[in-house]
Amino acid sequence: ETGVTQTPRHLVMGMTNKKSLKCEQHLGHNAMYWYKQSAKKPLELMFVYSLEERVENNSVPSRFSPECPNSSHLFLHLHTLQPEDSALYLCASSQDEGGVYGYTFGSGTRLTVV
Amino acid sequence: SQQGEEDPQALSIQEGENATMNCSYKTSINNLQWYRQNSGRGLVHLILIRSNEREKHSGRLRVTLDTSKKSSSLLITASRAADTASYFCATDWGGAQKLVFGQGTRLTINP
Repeated sequence: ETGVTQTPRHLVMGMTNKKSLKCEQHLGHNAMYWYKQSAKKPLELMFVYSLEERVENNSVPSRFSPECPNSSHLFLHLHTLQPEDSALYLCASSQDEGGVYGYTFGSGTRLTVV
Repeated sequence: SQQGEEDPQALSIQEGENATMNCSYKTSINNLQWYRQNSGRGLVHLILIRSNEREKHSGRLRVTLDTSKKSSSLLITASRAADTASYFCATDWGGAQKLVFGQGTRLTINP
């Protein structure tokens, strides 16, 4: 375990479902991130939270909705997804917003939209 | 795009040989980081090199940075089967305060 825990590890959902991905860190980090990793594409930064406030939203469709209730937890709420949203969703945290000491990643949630 | 570009996209070598991967980027950076990802898992931070550093070592890893050429290389010496993974470079923009990742190099170590 890296100190960043993601659940569930695997998720299969229909296009009309609503589900949530959870990320938890107890490293005392101040920033948390959601990345999407699709086959043959670079990691795409989706959202950045610093001290529980969203500081970046990289033009992500509204069917993805992040929530950061406290500095240790980050959620990604999913609804009416499309098959092209199938990917590995990675959560990361860092001591500071710039990640100048490196990011700590979770193991990811493998999402399949059917 | 600022994202780093790794070269080669895939590399296959025999166990015990050295593996070298390269990363190029486009604009000025504060630091450059290398990460490893085993299949279907999260990324693991390997090493960070700051823009005022030229070389850094960590165990069997050696990273160089040439800011004049906007490039970095990752050398893994005496490779092992467990080194089989994808390796990514990530750059930290001067003002953007976020890490941007390249597409990675897929390294395969053959026994």
